[in-house]
Amino acid sequence: GQQVMQIPQYQHVQEGEDFTTYCNSSTTLSNIQWYKQRPGGHPVFLIQLVKSGEVKKQKRLTFQFGEAKKNSSLHITATQTTDVGTYFCAGQTLSGTYKYIFGTGTRLKVLA
Amino acid sequence: DTEVTQTPKHLVMGMTNKKSLKCEQHMGHRAMYWYKQKAKKPPELMFVYSYEKLSINESVPSRFSPECPNSSLLNLHLHALQPEDSALYLCASSPWESGRGETQYFGPGTRLLVL
Repeated sequence: GQQVMQIPQYQHVQEGEDFTTYCNSSTTLSNIQWYKQRPGGHPVFLIQLVKSGEVKKQKRLTFQFGEAKKNSSLHITATQTTDVGTYFCAGQTLSGTYKYIFGTGTRLKVLA
Repeated sequence: DTEVTQTPKHLVMGMTNKKSLKCEQHMGHRAMYWYKQKAKKPPELMFVYSYEKLSINESVPSRFSPECPNSSLLNLHLHALQPEDSALYLCASSPWESGRGETQYFGPGTRLLVL
C-alpha cells in the first residue's frame, strides 16, 4: 500500500548540533505538510510545500520538497531544547482516491 | 481564533458503555477530521466530513459513529469499544478550499482508555 517513511526513527543530539529528518513516499504527493508534536501534545502545523524542488525557511528550520515530489526533508540548525518532539511529514497522494497519509515520524531528543 | 477544542480531555470507559467525543472549531473551516493515534505512532485517519457530509470513512468499525451536527461541530459516538481502541483521538479541521491535501489544524485530543 501507499506508505510514507521517515528516517531516522529516533535521533538524540546535543544542544547546538544540527538535525535532519527525511520523508520518503512510495507515491507522488501533490503537496507536503510538516507537523511537530511535543510529548503529550498534538500535531502542530509547521509548513506546507507545494512546488517541486521548493525550499522554505523558518528561522532555524529549512524544509525541502524533492524534484519528483516523493520526498522531503526538514533540517534544524543549532538545535535547542525547545525543538524536542516528534516531527511528522504528511501528504496528499496524487493517484486514485483521496489519501492523506502521515509519515512514520522522527522523534528528536535534545540533550542540554 | 485558530483553535480547535475537544472534550473531554480524558475518558475512561468500560466495554459496554456508550460515550461521545466532541470537537468544535470557529475558523470557518468546512472540513473536519477524526484521527486515532496510538503511542509512538503517526495519526491514522478515521473519518472526513466536508460541508457537513461524510466524505471519507477509512473502513472504521461500526462501534465508532461520527456525526457532524453543523459546520463547527464534530462528534464521535463510541459504543461497545475494545481495549485495543484505547488511544489518543484527535480532531482536526481545514478550510477545504482546494478540496484535498490541505493543512490541518488539530485539537488537543481526547485520551481514551477502554477497560
